[in-house]
Amino acid sequence: DIHLTQSPSSLSASVGDRVTLTCRASQGISNYLAWYQQKPGKAPKSLIFAASSLQGGVPSKFSGSGSGTEFTLTITSLQPEDFATYYCQQYHSYPITFGQGTRLEIK
Amino acid sequence: EVQLVESGGGLVQPGGSLRLSCAASGFSFSSYSMNWVRQAPGKGLEWVSYISSSSRPIYYADSMKGRFTVSRDNAKNSLYLQMNSLRVEDTAMYYCVRDVSGRNWGQGTLVTVSS
Repeated sequence: DIHLTQSPSSLSASVGDRVTLTCRASQGISNYLAWYQQKPGKAPKSLIFAASSLQGGVPSKFSGSGSGTEFTLTITSLQPEDFATYYCQQYHSYPITFGQGTRLEIK
Repeated sequence: EVQLVESGGGLVQPGGSLRLSCAASGFSFSSYSMNWVRQAPGKGLEWVSYISSSSRPIYYADSMKGRFTVSRDNAKNSLYLQMNSLRVEDTAMYYCVRDVSGRNWGQGTLVTVSS
């Protein structure tokens, strides 16, 4: 199975900040990586697919990059609605796996 | 607008069975693969099962193999998950997800396995 490790596990940031979240895969997954945002009590929302492609309707403040084993999700100009938990997911091979999540909190 | 609406969750005793359904609308259901993903209370996301647009191939997470069966009815725009021999650790919110890149998610249906 492909293991995904997200770092940091939690992050405190201020409104207006720019943050970068990292997801590392235990083996190469090309660009078969997605990023999700989840708020408490809600279903996850797709942000990024194919490592760097923005889902329709997602603001351009979210951007993804990477290939192989190392990936990043960058969020610029943090707003209160951006504080949530973020998950990465690989779909290179089965079983599909998720990272453990990064909890982004307001400082 | 794409909609995925899960139903069928509830309280069941260990060893019992449940059948979850997912009603899809707003897209060409028969053209897309589908997945089930679950989330135990306070925990992260766990992939459960994949079914292709034509129902072959099908994949399961190891802990669900032999107990869970995924199926779909393209004529009814519906996805199903038959869950047998349920365990306490199967307690989770179960989400229906469009394609492997997780384009769209339903709101989830809660399954509670408890005596």
